[in-house]
Amino acid sequence: RKEVEQDPGPFNVPEGATVAFNCTYSNSASQSFFWYRQDCRKEPKLLMSVYSSGNEDGRFTAQLNRASQYISLLIRDSKLSDSATYLCVVSFNTGNQFYFGTGTSLTVIP
Amino acid sequence: DAGITQSPRHKVTETGTPVTLRCHQTENHRYMYWYRQDPGHGLRLIHYSYGVKDTDKGEVSDGYSVSRSKTEDFLLTLESATSSQTSVYFCAIETGLGGGGTNEQFFGPGTRLTVL
Repeated sequence: RKEVEQDPGPFNVPEGATVAFNCTYSNSASQSFFWYRQDCRKEPKLLMSVYSSGNEDGRFTAQLNRASQYISLLIRDSKLSDSATYLCVVSFNTGNQFYFGTGTSLTVIP
Repeated sequence: DAGITQSPRHKVTETGTPVTLRCHQTENHRYMYWYRQDPGHGLRLIHYSYGVKDTDKGEVSDGYSVSRSKTEDFLLTLESATSSQTSVYFCAIETGLGGGGTNEQFFGPGTRLTVL
């Protein structure tokens, strides 16, 4: 079983739409959670860390549900520039190892 | 910008040849990582380092070795490259700058390696 699982998509949404991604993780000892964005043929870039109380950064909202072992990312008012692959990442903070989902592909359509 | 560079950025080599990839950082972070990224697998950890001369294996370490003789450089070596090692290789550093006690990883631009 994979440590982190994501729906690969693709998600094709019109500009201005709201879209949500979920990610599940298998190890209840996971301590840190992140969303990364990866553009085609580029390196992953940190979008936001996910805190226990949930957090928001502009149009992006991340939430953590420890009981059900999933994290979510909500993007409001989608822009063409949001088109990318979104990676879910969890860390156990033990051996400082990070585990990556395979990513969810988003295309925002004009 | 976390000040991470990788070299070379692209390389084509033949099966059986040795290959060394270099990761360089400018900010003296203690932890450095090597990942490979392949379709359908996401990023998988090859090796990581928690200080000079301190390294450990990751999930897919077979066929790879690493060295870290100084804080700023982390080298990944394929002793005898195979076609299964064709991949995109990313180096990452870990910072302690995240809020809420989280450590965050920042990635280099990647090296595209093709083994023929």
